[in-house]
Amino acid sequence: DGGITQSPKYLFRKEGQNVTLSCEQNLNHDAMYWYRQDPGQGLRLIYYSQIVNDFQKGDIAEGYSVSREKKESFPLTVTSAQKNPTAFYLCASSMDRDPSNYGYTFGSGTRLTVV
Amino acid sequence: SQQGEEDPQALSIQEGENATMNCSYKTSINNLQWYRQNSGRGLVHLILIRSNEREKHSGRLRVTLDTSKKSSSLLITASRAADTASYFCATDPSGSARQLTFGSGTQLTVLP
Repeated sequence: DGGITQSPKYLFRKEGQNVTLSCEQNLNHDAMYWYRQDPGQGLRLIYYSQIVNDFQKGDIAEGYSVSREKKESFPLTVTSAQKNPTAFYLCASSMDRDPSNYGYTFGSGTRLTVV
Repeated sequence: SQQGEEDPQALSIQEGENATMNCSYKTSINNLQWYRQNSGRGLVHLILIRSNEREKHSGRLRVTLDTSKKSSSLLITASRAADTASYFCATDPSGSARQLTFGSGTQLTVLP
């Protein structure tokens, strides 16, 4: 079955540590996105990529980095510069570079906790 | 930046009743979409309504769009306990950098 796989489901980070969240899709979608969700709140866009080897900052990119070396993969690194990284991270993809046409397919999320 | 805002923030109803959630947005849009999120899970796309459409149906879901008021509503008829989830509207502001912006969601609880 086609879909988006996020791993790990739960991740614990120590202060000052960088961690990388994995996002893989086998839908052959062009565009991929990373959102952050805090308790009881909506989604905020961190980074997005519409084509391999290209990505754009979203509303809250500071303290995060991404890469898009393959169409299927869009990993997110949470760096030590992100002061409040505890949150639920959601990866999404879109068939078209314009998600208004078909919408997003989401992964099941990674819950990151700073310990 | 948040484009859409859902109302109410939380809604509790009995099984079999209808549930109505509203979404207001600020700028002109091409389309509006509704998503559902079960607790601790990713979002699932429910329905998309284009800016030139006023109403759309999908099973027990009915979505309306009023572009003059910059608002949309999602109606779930004959609700079931399994409909318990958070519901989000998402918009793609015209001229945006091709990404969706989400509201803060309505938490729906359907009591058996």
